[in-house]
Amino acid sequence: GENVEQHPSTLSVQEGDSAVIKCTYSDSASNYFPWYKQELGKRPQLIIDIRSNVGEKKDQRIAVTLNKTAKHFSLHITETQPEDSAVYFCAARVRTGGFKTIFGAGTRLFVKA
Amino acid sequence: DVKVTQSSRYLVKRTGEKVFLECVQDMDHENMFWYRQDPGLGLRLIYFSYDVKMKEKGDIPEGYSVSREKKERFSLILESASTNQTSMYLCASSLGTRGATLKYNEQFFGPGTRLTVL
Repeated sequence: GENVEQHPSTLSVQEGDSAVIKCTYSDSASNYFPWYKQELGKRPQLIIDIRSNVGEKKDQRIAVTLNKTAKHFSLHITETQPEDSAVYFCAARVRTGGFKTIFGAGTRLFVKA
Repeated sequence: DVKVTQSSRYLVKRTGEKVFLECVQDMDHENMFWYRQDPGLGLRLIYFSYDVKMKEKGDIPEGYSVSREKKERFSLILESASTNQTSMYLCASSLGTRGATLKYNEQFFGPGTRLTVL
């Protein structure tokens, strides 16, 4: 079946450094790739997304890249800040009658001040 | 501002009990989802619905059922709760295909219900 693999499961960086989280997906028909951030004790919230007809998208300090051929996509956070500490989930949307989204297992990012 | 609410933040039930988890959204969204969140496993889809009275199985539907009698409400039912159903349950909603922009894909999550089955 469809799945999304996410790495690493835990990432620790110094404040100001960059953080990169990588995901791969299995369904070549996937066409939409969102990233969600979940702070401790809170609900997941969308932070950035990308469609399959775009290779890269940037929003201030965060960017997402997509390689459709390799079925890889990545989240890049530059100039990390302590408030970036959270769990990040990548996801891929597949179409099976409805709009089903498959999530990765999550990456816990720690930004050390 | 989209609001997705869940009936309880914390719930403790006994093995064998029937459990109802309720989710309500106020944005007229067509799609609604139930996930469970477990450490190291991320968000796993239990069931989803893209219209009233419509439902589709997700990746882990066993032991669960759902009900969508009204557009704004999506209920998750544990017919006979078991200890391995102890988890955080998250409800989410999103627009349907009538949205012509990317925004129809964004899922809005509820605050979650932490269920403990003893």
